[in-house]
Amino acid sequence: DADVTQTPRNRITKTGKRIMLECSQTKGHDRMYWYRQDPGLGLRLIYYSFDVKDINKGEISDGYSVSRQAQAKFSLSLESAIPNQTALYFCATSDLGGSGNYNEQFFGPGTRLTVL
Amino acid sequence: GQQVMQIPQYQHVQEGEDFTTYCNSSTTLSNIQWYKQRPGGHPVFLIQLVKSGEVKKQKRLTFQFGEAKKNSSLHITATQTTDVGTYFCAEKRDSGGGADGLTFGKGTHLIIQP
Repeated sequence: DADVTQTPRNRITKTGKRIMLECSQTKGHDRMYWYRQDPGLGLRLIYYSFDVKDINKGEISDGYSVSRQAQAKFSLSLESAIPNQTALYFCATSDLGGSGNYNEQFFGPGTRLTVL
Repeated sequence: GQQVMQIPQYQHVQEGEDFTTYCNSSTTLSNIQWYKQRPGGHPVFLIQLVKSGEVKKQKRLTFQFGEAKKNSSLHITATQTTDVGTYFCAEKRDSGGGADGLTFGKGTHLIIQP
């Protein structure tokens, strides 16, 4: 979906470097998420945010940090990249569920990160 | 923590054959979502199941939610080359502490031989 964009789409970096991945959305959703995907492991949640300035840890937050300065933007940082952070990173958005149901998530195109 | 087990990991079928992927949990699921990821693409939402015993259909795709809400399945009838991809089930993370986000199964890769 073009409504959720990620930059860069591909990045190669070296161990110890600081990296920032950006996510922007035009869907007007309050909730935003960062997942990483590794072969054979599915997608795992890194961080999520309910609203501006709200930050919550997911399953695998160690080594990562995030920032939500605006409703439309959610950035993921690797303060000191290491090789096992080589993965495909997805940003996703959703809005509040109604009638107690949980709404679908809309994913960006992904960022392929390689840490040498 | 929450675990959603998905099988099989890979499924090779001849075009026109049926395909099924299964998702199982040791705990009761509040709901289950299914996503499809084409090769080189991103996950795309297919459906959400909420009610015990629920069955939903989308053309050749049939989704089921178990009576005990501990398992779910996706069945594709007469596969086509456009069905190639990885199918994931996902459940909402524990809501007791206000947690959000999805816990994904590891996915089933569907490979179709013409």
